[in-house]
Amino acid sequence: NAGVMQNPRHLVRRRGQEARLRCSPMKGHSHVYWYRQLPEEGLKFMVYLQKENIIDESGMPKERFSAEFPKEGPSILRIQQVVRGDSAAYFCASSPDRYQPQHFGDGTRLSIL
Amino acid sequence: GEDVEQSLFLSVREGDSSVINCTYTDSSSTYLYWYKQEPGAGLQLLTYIFSNMDMKQDQRLTVLLNKKDKHLSLRIADTQTGDSAIYFCAESINDYKLSFGAGTTVTVRA
Repeated sequence: NAGVMQNPRHLVRRRGQEARLRCSPMKGHSHVYWYRQLPEEGLKFMVYLQKENIIDESGMPKERFSAEFPKEGPSILRIQQVVRGDSAAYFCASSPDRYQPQHFGDGTRLSIL
Repeated sequence: GEDVEQSLFLSVREGDSSVINCTYTDSSSTYLYWYKQEPGAGLQLLTYIFSNMDMKQDQRLTVLLNKKDKHLSLRIADTQTGDSAIYFCAESINDYKLSFGAGTTVTVRA
């Protein structure tokens, strides 16, 4: 089943460390989206990327967060100097183009000690 | 604004129908979606409806869309224990930015 693959499934970091979350889209999908889910809440849009381009990062915090989707390899969501408030589930989705339904991975659950 | 609202909880008896309701805000949304999330898992795309449709049926699932009232509903016929999950309604902003409700937790009791 070549679905959206995210790793790691669980990630524990101490305050001040860096977190790197990876996402490999479904085969044939070149559009990737990242969402964040805080406890007891729905998902909030963070960023939309195509290969080598950030299309919309309006949902990304201005500091410490960055995302990329290189020509080769997975999309990476990077959080520098993590704080307790970054604890959440981070989901990646992909689609063949911006108009098609998005398919989600199982998420990375980030815990900050 | 981007504000999708849905009731938080629904309890239903096995074999009965479940109806989950949702209101959305962006009248220009092209598609509206229903996703299912089981504990510890990601979101599974259940079904979606194009904004120029009123109804879509897919096996046990029926989606109704009232564009005038910006109301979307999901009916699950013959609800089973495996249907226990959180169901998210979502609208698409600018075609790609999904705006989700807080989710409806459906509990199926024997």
